[in-house]
Amino acid sequence: QVQLQESGPGLVKPSETLSLTCGVSGGSVTSGSYYCSWIRQPPGKGLEWIGYMYYSGSGSTNYNPSLKSRVTISVDVSKNQFSLKLSSVTAADTAVYYCARGRIQGYYFDYWGPGMLVTVSS
Amino acid sequence: SYELTQPLSVSVALGQTARITCGGNNIGSKNVHWYKQKPGQAPVVVIYRDSNRPSGIPERFSGSNSGNRATLTISRAQAGDEADYYCQVWDSSTWVFGGGTKLTVL
Repeated sequence: QVQLQESGPGLVKPSETLSLTCGVSGGSVTSGSYYCSWIRQPPGKGLEWIGYMYYSGSGSTNYNPSLKSRVTISVDVSKNQFSLKLSSVTAADTAVYYCARGRIQGYYFDYWGPGMLVTVSS
Repeated sequence: SYELTQPLSVSVALGQTARITCGGNNIGSKNVHWYKQKPGQAPVVVIYRDSNRPSGIPERFSGSNSGNRATLTISRAQAGDEADYYCQVWDSSTWVFGGGTKLTVL
């Protein structure tokens, strides 16, 4: 059974960089059949796709245009995990952050992590 | 960028049929997926590729997609169906979510 788990600081100061990691078990980040993705949900609001990395030998990424200038997603093959970095955060970046596996066949998310609340505050 | 429109809320009487719509320009040409999210939990896919149910999802959940509207139908609504529902498509190599619909079972 595939499982994903987010980890990282739950509190980040304004203007700093938010860094989260998604550990994957029961599957490989290099399978080539999935997009390693990040999605967020501000309190009381809807889902917002952040971006993905597709890893098959080499990695390719794509990001939400509204966040593109501040986002970096990378994969650590040796640890079977992938990471999110979001720079220059403000209070508007306070949200529950989910990592998820996006299927290449069908383009939907079949497995999600439980989510992690990250608060941006001084 | 592509946009998906959902009603903010839908109410259904216990045991009746709920229909949640998702509007988008020529959405019938895309694959639509639906997620159910309960408070404090991650979303779970309940319909993928317009009308397919993952294993473990009751047959009461069905989907359709045509023209400019996709619909998630929940038959014989139960108290446990009360949740937020999101539609999602893949467009121009990005994932797009609808704004979400809160389903209330009366």
